Amino acid sequence: GAVVSQHPSWVICKSGTSVKIECRSLDFQATTMFWYRQFPKQSLMLMATSNEGSKATYEQGVEKDKFLINHASLTLSTLTVTSAHPEDSSFYICSARDSSYSNQPQHFGDGTRLSIL
Amino acid sequence: SQQGEEDPQALSIQEGENATMNCSYKTSINNLQWYRQNSGRGLVHLILIRSNEREKHSGRLRVTLDTSKKSSSLLITASRAADTASYFCATDLGITPLVFGKGTRLSVIA
Repeated sequence: GAVVSQHPSWVICKSGTSVKIECRSLDFQATTMFWYRQFPKQSLMLMATSNEGSKATYEQGVEKDKFLINHASLTLSTLTVTSAHPEDSSFYICSARDSSYSNQPQHFGDGTRLSIL
Repeated sequence: SQQGEEDPQALSIQEGENATMNCSYKTSINNLQWYRQNSGRGLVHLILIRSNEREKHSGRLRVTLDTSKKSSSLLITASRAADTASYFCATDLGITPLVFGKGTRLSVIA
């Protein structure tokens, strides 16, 4: 079945570091990918919609300069957390949907746990 | 903003029992999807039910959809310890991203 690969799965870094997270659709094309953030024991909150070849669409309250999204190909989207601070520590999950069909489920990566010291 | 609301927020049952989770939503939908999330992992898609469908089965899972009440239920029969996870419903409006509910944390005790 369709698979989405997310890398890295765990990052621990110092405050002020920029961290890049990759999301790849392995066996289908995804013109649109989604980035979510999840706090412990809470639901997924959509951060932004990543559109291949164009600018991402950010949800209200999400800083576009803080969370840079690049979707350069039909199988890869990246999220860069710039100058990360402890409050950015969270679980980040990407997902993608096969562009070829309607009424299809979203496929999720395994998530990236980001810990900023 | 979240559209789906799961009920209950937490559920603890014995292995072998059935588990029922409910989801309510607010707007018209194209389909409704149920996902499972194990602790610290991504989401696994379980079932997608379209707006013109009323019931769908997949193994030990049964999903119902009542569009007049804007509600759905997920039934897990003969639960196993491995079913312990959080379960989320998500509504698909067609062109917009999925909107997730708060989830139900299911604990199946062996």
